[in-house]
Amino acid sequence: GDSVTQMEGPVTLSEEAFLTINCTYTATGYPSLFWYVQYPGEGLQLLLKATKADDKGSNKGFEATYRKETTSFHLEKGSVQVSDSAVYFCALTADKLIFGTGTRLQVFP
Amino acid sequence: DAGVTQSPTHLIKTRGQQVTLRCSPKSGHDTVSWYQQALGQGPQFIFQYYEEEERQRGNFPDRFSGHQFPNYSSELNVNALLLGDSALYLCASSLRISGGLSSYNEQFFGPGTRLTVL
Repeated sequence: GDSVTQMEGPVTLSEEAFLTINCTYTATGYPSLFWYVQYPGEGLQLLLKATKADDKGSNKGFEATYRKETTSFHLEKGSVQVSDSAVYFCALTADKLIFGTGTRLQVFP
Repeated sequence: DAGVTQSPTHLIKTRGQQVTLRCSPKSGHDTVSWYQQALGQGPQFIFQYYEEEERQRGNFPDRFSGHQFPNYSSELNVNALLLGDSALYLCASSLRISGGLSSYNEQFFGPGTRLTVL
């Protein structure tokens, strides 16, 4: 069945460092891809999305490109802030939302 | 706009008991989906309700049931609770587009209900 695989965390970075969180997927069709973020004590928030191959989603300095040839949707940010500390979930939709296990990001000043 | 609201925030039950969780969707949304998020895991889809009917279901036993009311709010019921049912239960709302599946639309999540089964 359809699935999402994310790199395990935690990812620990200093402020202003470059961030990459890897995400690969398995799907029989052509899903839409998403990154959600969960801040401590809060619900999931959509961070960005891409609906077709080669689309780039971006928001708040984060970017991810839908790579059909490598079945990947890696999340990147050029300069992280302490406020970016959260758990990040990669997800896809086939007929329902399927999430990865999440990657915790910890950013220290 | 209050966004998606869920109640209660926390709940403690014992094995074998039954529990009801509640969700009010974001204003203007007509579809509600429920997810179970175990500690350290990603959310797992339970089911989705639209027009007061269950439209899709994930791989969860019949102990998990739901309901949607005419005002689009929803309840999740879990019978015969097991220790393994301890999790954060998330509700998400969205607007169903004509001819499409609501899961393709952005889903707005509530803060969740933390259920602990002892």
